[in-house]
Amino acid sequence: RKEVEQDPGPFNVPEGATVAFNCTYSNSASQSFFWYRQDCRKEPKLLMSVYSSGNEDGRFTAQLNRASQYISLLIRDSKLSDSATYLCVVNTPGGSYIPTFGRGTSLIVHP
Amino acid sequence: DTGVSQDPRHKITKRGQNVTFRCDPISEHNRLYWYRQTLGQGPEFLTYFQNEAQLEKSRLLSDRFSAERPKGSFSTLEIQRTEQGDSAMYLCASSHGDRGSHNEKLFFGSGTQLSVL
Repeated sequence: RKEVEQDPGPFNVPEGATVAFNCTYSNSASQSFFWYRQDCRKEPKLLMSVYSSGNEDGRFTAQLNRASQYISLLIRDSKLSDSATYLCVVNTPGGSYIPTFGRGTSLIVHP
Repeated sequence: DTGVSQDPRHKITKRGQNVTFRCDPISEHNRLYWYRQTLGQGPEFLTYFQNEAQLEKSRLLSDRFSAERPKGSFSTLEIQRTEQGDSAMYLCASSHGDRGSHNEKLFFGSGTQLSVL
């Protein structure tokens, strides 16, 4: 079983739609959770951290459910520019905490 | 430009050759990570430095791979006797964090695309 799992998609949605992605992680001792965005042929960039109480940044809402070991990302009022791959990242304990990436979920927003 | 820089951007080599990549992190960042990414997959962890100390190395990493960060600033990743399966994007990321902390944000370079023929 992979440490961080995501549905690769693609999720194909019209502009203005609301779309949600989930991510599950296997190590219950994981700390710190993030969503990164990666555009085609570009490096990943931090989108937002995920806090236990849930957090919002404009059209983006992130939630963490420690009991079920999953993280979610909700995008409201999708824009064409939201088209990208969204990577779930979990800091997984070992000797140190290592940022462990899921395979990413591809989002395509069409007119 | 004060971001993470990687050199070269692209490298084409023949199977069996050695290659070396360089990463210059953001200057005040004490942590440096190397990841590998192939098409359709997320970045896969390779190794991690806290200052000049290599603290973690992936169990999946072949002995052909070695990384250094001699003065706690730039880092190099060397692959010896390259194989076609080594073809991938090699990404470097840096961050700032105290030992034991776990909530720092990563800043990535643009990567080095390796093609092994």
